[in-house]
Amino acid sequence: AQTVTQSQPEMSVQEAETVTLSCTYDTSESNYYLFWYKQPPSRQMILVIRQEAYKQQNATENRFSVNFQKAAKSFSLKISDSQLGDTAMYFCAFRMDSNYQLIWGAGTKLIIKP
Amino acid sequence: DSGVTQTPKHLITATGQRVTLRCSPRSGDLSVYWYQQSLDQGLQFLIQYYNGEERAKGNILERFSAQQFPDLHSELNLSSLELGDSALYFCASSVVQGNGGYTFGSGTRLTVV
Repeated sequence: AQTVTQSQPEMSVQEAETVTLSCTYDTSESNYYLFWYKQPPSRQMILVIRQEAYKQQNATENRFSVNFQKAAKSFSLKISDSQLGDTAMYFCAFRMDSNYQLIWGAGTKLIIKP
Repeated sequence: DSGVTQTPKHLITATGQRVTLRCSPRSGDLSVYWYQQSLDQGLQFLIQYYNGEERAKGNILERFSAQQFPDLHSELNLSSLELGDSALYFCASSVVQGNGGYTFGSGTRLTVV
C-alpha cells in the first residue's frame, strides 16, 4: 500500500528566511504524481506545486520549488523568501497513474514569524 | 473563489441524524472527489465520481453514500451519525481524472453533538 510520511509536525522560521519541508513516500509504482497543498486558517486547500514522476526536472512555482529524489522516494518543498502569508498547514500528497485518489501525509504546520 | 462550491459551510446535528452535503464542481470538470479531514489529521479519500458514474471508493463507511447528478453536482449523504463523524468534508474536482491538480472547495464543517 502507498503511504506518505511528513516527519515534521511543526516548523517555525523568520520572515524572509528559506524553509524546507520534508516528505517521503512508499510505492512500487513507476509512474505517479506528487503534490504539495497549502491549507491556511481559512481551511481552503490550495495547490502549491505538482511533480510528475517521469519528469527528472524539479518543479518550480515562483518562491516554491521541490527537490524530487525518485530513488530515495523523497519530495521536499523549499519556500524561499518566506512571507507571513505562507503560514499554513502544508500537506504532501501522492497519486498513482492508474488510480485517481490522493493519498495524504499528516501535514506540517508552518509558522512564519515577523 | 476556487470555482468549487460546497454547501453548507457549517452543520451541527445530533447523533443518529442524517445530513446531506452538496458540491458543485468547477465549470468543465467532470470528476468529483470527496475527502474527510478529521481534527489535526490528513485527508482520507472517500469516493470519486466521473461524469455521473462511481469510479473509485476509499474507506467510506456503509452509513455514507454519494451520487453525482446529470448536471455534475454531487451529494454526500451521511446517516446514523456518530460523534466520530465530526470532521471537515472536502469536495474536489478535476477536468479529466486527476491528471492535473485538483481544485478543492472550502469544505463543510460537520459537528455531531
